[in-house]
Amino acid sequence: NAGVTQTPKFRVLKTGQSMTLLCAQDMNHEYMYWYRQDPGMGLRLIHYSVGEGTTAKGEVPDGYNVSRLKKQNFLLGLESAAPSQTSVYFCASNTFRKAYEQYFGPGTRLTVT
Amino acid sequence: KQEVTQIPAALSVPEGENLVLNCSFTDSAIYNLQWFRQDPGKGLTSLLLIQSSQREQTSGRLNASLDKSSGRSTLYIAASQPGDSATYLCAVRPDDTNFGNEKLTFGTGTRLTIIP
Repeated sequence: NAGVTQTPKFRVLKTGQSMTLLCAQDMNHEYMYWYRQDPGMGLRLIHYSVGEGTTAKGEVPDGYNVSRLKKQNFLLGLESAAPSQTSVYFCASNTFRKAYEQYFGPGTRLTVT
Repeated sequence: KQEVTQIPAALSVPEGENLVLNCSFTDSAIYNLQWFRQDPGKGLTSLLLIQSSQREQTSGRLNASLDKSSGRSTLYIAASQPGDSATYLCAVRPDDTNFGNEKLTFGTGTRLTIIP
């Protein structure tokens, strides 16, 4: 049982490049989330999913797209990276039976130059 | 819009001391409040959860209190240890929460350092 894993752990992009962050969970959780964490801002929700094939916008969705083709995976895409997207990205998941037991991944540190 | 504030942003105390971390929120219509711990390079780990009807919750050396009407919560750590060094975040859920956490609002965190 690996919990929530994120790939990659670190990445440096140039402005305009694209990339996909992968989140995987092996707990059969229905809900999955992508957050970003910036200094002095706390965690902010980018997108979330309440089940396979469904996604929804969070607080700061602009510049990001997501997909949940399989229940265990939640992908976060940056089509054209901007320096403002330099941040640490966290994935999280939970089951609807225990909403307060959230499991977080270790994070991906992304730098856009 | 709910805003959650944690002051101070950083705190250093000698080992063995008791300490209090503060969390304040602007909208008192919350369902519950949760305290998390974040270690460098790692994700968040839930420490305590207080329902809006409760006044406090305890787990080992940790005690969290909630004053919903004044929009405040505190996390009390007794007999601090170097292993307690981490960033502590609080987060609130609104009254109309459902089974997910998409409406969770996080504070900015307090970075705690326990000096041996």
